[in-house]
Amino acid sequence: AQTVTQSQPEMSVQEAETVTLSCTYDTSESDYYLFWYKQPPSRQMILVIRQEAYKQQNATENRFSVNFQKAAKSFSLKISDSQLGDAAMYFCAYRGNPNAGGTSYGKLTFGQGTILTVHP
Amino acid sequence: KAGVTQTPRYLIKTRGQQVTLSCSPISGHRSVSWYQQTPGQGLQFLFEYFSETQRNKGNFPGRFSGRQFSNSRSEMNVSTLELGDSALYLCASSPDRDGNYGYTFGSGTRLTVV
Repeated sequence: AQTVTQSQPEMSVQEAETVTLSCTYDTSESDYYLFWYKQPPSRQMILVIRQEAYKQQNATENRFSVNFQKAAKSFSLKISDSQLGDAAMYFCAYRGNPNAGGTSYGKLTFGQGTILTVHP
Repeated sequence: KAGVTQTPRYLIKTRGQQVTLSCSPISGHRSVSWYQQTPGQGLQFLFEYFSETQRNKGNFPGRFSGRQFSNSRSEMNVSTLELGDSALYLCASSPDRDGNYGYTFGSGTRLTVV
C-alpha cells in the first residue's frame, strides 16, 4: 500500500519570504500523480499544484513550485513571496495508476498535513 | 461555473441513527469520491463512483455506503451511527475518468454524533 509522509506538522514563514514544505511517499508503482492541496479554515480543499511522475520537469504554478525527486520519492512544495492568504493546512497527496488493477480509482492517499503560518 | 456542492454543511445526530449526505459535482464531472477527515486519522478514502458504478472502496465498515445517480449527484449513507463517525466528510469530483488532472473538493459536511 502506498503511504505519504509529511514530517513537518507545523511551519512558519514571514510574509514575502520563501518556505519549503516536505513530503515523501512510498510506492512500487512507476506511473502515478502527486498533488499538493491547501485547506484554509473554510475547509474546502484547493488544488495547488500537480505533478505527473513520468515528467522530469518540476511543475510550477505562479509562486508555487515543486522539487520532484522520483528516485528519492520526495515531493516538496516551495512557496515564494509568501502572502498572508497562503496560511492554511497543506496536504501532499498521491494517486496511483488506475490501470494497475483499479485500486486507485478516485483514491488520493494523503499525508497528515502541515500547518503553515504566515507572519506579517 | 458552480463548484462541488455538499449539503448539509452541519449535522448533529444521535448514536444509533442513520444519516445521508449529499454531493453535487461540478457540471460535467462524472467521477465522485468521498473522504472522511478526522484529527486523529487524517483524510481517508471512503469510495469512488463513476457513471453510477462504484469502482473503488476504502477500508470502512459496511455501515458506510453510497450511490451515484444518473445526473452524477452522489449520496453517502452511514447507518447505526457511532461516536467515532464524527468527522468532516468531503466530496470531490473529477472532469476525467481517471482523475489525472486532480479533484475539486466541496466544503464538506461536518457530522457530529452525540
